[in-house]
Amino acid sequence: DAGVTQSPTHLIKTRGQQVTLRCSPKSGHDTVSWYQQALGQGPQFIFQYYEEEERQRGNFPDRFSGHQFPNYSSELNVNALLLGDSALYLCASSLGTYNTEAFFGQGTRLTVV
Amino acid sequence: AQSVTQLGSHVSVSEGALVLLRCNYSSSVPPYLFWYVQYPNQGLQLLLKYTSAATLVKGINGFEAEFKKSETSFHLTKPSAHMSDAAEYFCAVTAYSGAGSYQLTFGKGTKLSVIP
Repeated sequence: DAGVTQSPTHLIKTRGQQVTLRCSPKSGHDTVSWYQQALGQGPQFIFQYYEEEERQRGNFPDRFSGHQFPNYSSELNVNALLLGDSALYLCASSLGTYNTEAFFGQGTRLTVV
Repeated sequence: AQSVTQLGSHVSVSEGALVLLRCNYSSSVPPYLFWYVQYPNQGLQLLLKYTSAATLVKGINGFEAEFKKSETSFHLTKPSAHMSDAAEYFCAVTAYSGAGSYQLTFGKGTKLSVIP
């Protein structure tokens, strides 16, 4: 049973560019949440997708956007990258938005130079 | 609103000694509480969770945590540390916000070092 998979594992981008990160949820899960983990910090909630809609959003600017596909996979897009966007981006999946147990992927390490 | 405070950003213990990682939470509604472990360059792995059943929760790898409502605490313990326990540990809280979903709020993490 495949767990949560994220791609790519590492990424280097230049300030001002745009980036797309991808996530496939654990088999049977239909809800995907994205978190940003800056170096030395705990993960911070970006947003959650369910039924192809953004259901809840954390305190992140509109430069951060997402999408969920009919197969429940998800993308995180970040526009106009800033140096401060350098972080580990974690995807978590769960079954339904009321399920409190989330399974995390390995993350995508984004470095903005 | 909910928040988590982890006391001690770095804890060192000797191999075989007791591990105690502290977590205090704040939540305006009954919370669900979690401990996650993160090894270098890895994602988060769930150690254990409290979801309003037994207050003493047993998890994987010999870890356990006790929910104390009066102290708003959910400290993580393990009787005897192993070298393989060296990692970063995150306490997290979630509660129904009325927005139709749950979201996790994490503490800043505690890095555990185990000294041979």
